[in-house]
Amino acid sequence: GAGVSQSPRYKVAKRGQDVALRCDPISGHVSLFWYQQALGQGPEFLTYFQNEAQLDKSGLPSDRFFAERPEGSVSTLKIQRTQQEDSAVYLCASSLATGAREAFFGQGTRLTVV
Amino acid sequence: QKEVEQNSGPLSVPEGAIASLNCTYSDRVSQSFFWYRQYSGKSPELIMSIYSNGDKEDGRFTAQLNKASQYVSLLIRDSQPSDSATYLCAVNPLSSASKIIFGSGTRLSIRP
Repeated sequence: GAGVSQSPRYKVAKRGQDVALRCDPISGHVSLFWYQQALGQGPEFLTYFQNEAQLDKSGLPSDRFFAERPEGSVSTLKIQRTQQEDSAVYLCASSLATGAREAFFGQGTRLTVV
Repeated sequence: QKEVEQNSGPLSVPEGAIASLNCTYSDRVSQSFFWYRQYSGKSPELIMSIYSNGDKEDGRFTAQLNKASQYVSLLIRDSQPSDSATYLCAVNPLSSASKIIFGSGTRLSIRP
């Protein structure tokens, strides 16, 4: 596709529910990033993939958060047993090169945990 | 100390004037620097990247980098109301080459 695509755009989850957020990066982009953005804040790094390898997951806030990119293209961020503090916009970005050169963001998934 | 610091604003600039946005970073060996624009409710959009000391110009935008002072800025000439947005400074530190670290953003308002 022409840009990074994320789905769903909006998700309301009951506390304790598991959610899965999908990211379809720009075709051919090697690097994929997940960020969490709270209202009024800058994006906070969660995890980084180079192709299918998860090279950095230092930003994942707890073991309830899990990400995968099994074929080096589409990625899924899964949050188990959601809590209210997980409410945020989850942004996916991809980059043509390895490491963190220019990255292009998707529209994000706004998660609200009630 | 935050890794990337920005004044949160709001910064109010009259239409047609120059808007100056500033950012400091803590990792002295950072290599890559970016400015993203984020409209309310939208995702960040890359507008400038800069990798070496000095100025880089692209249309009405100029990015300035001073590695000795650990300072990066963005100038917007002939400011337009459509420039009203939050501007995010971002840094790729050498110590964490897989990350782009963002500041909290400066809210810019261009008044007609």
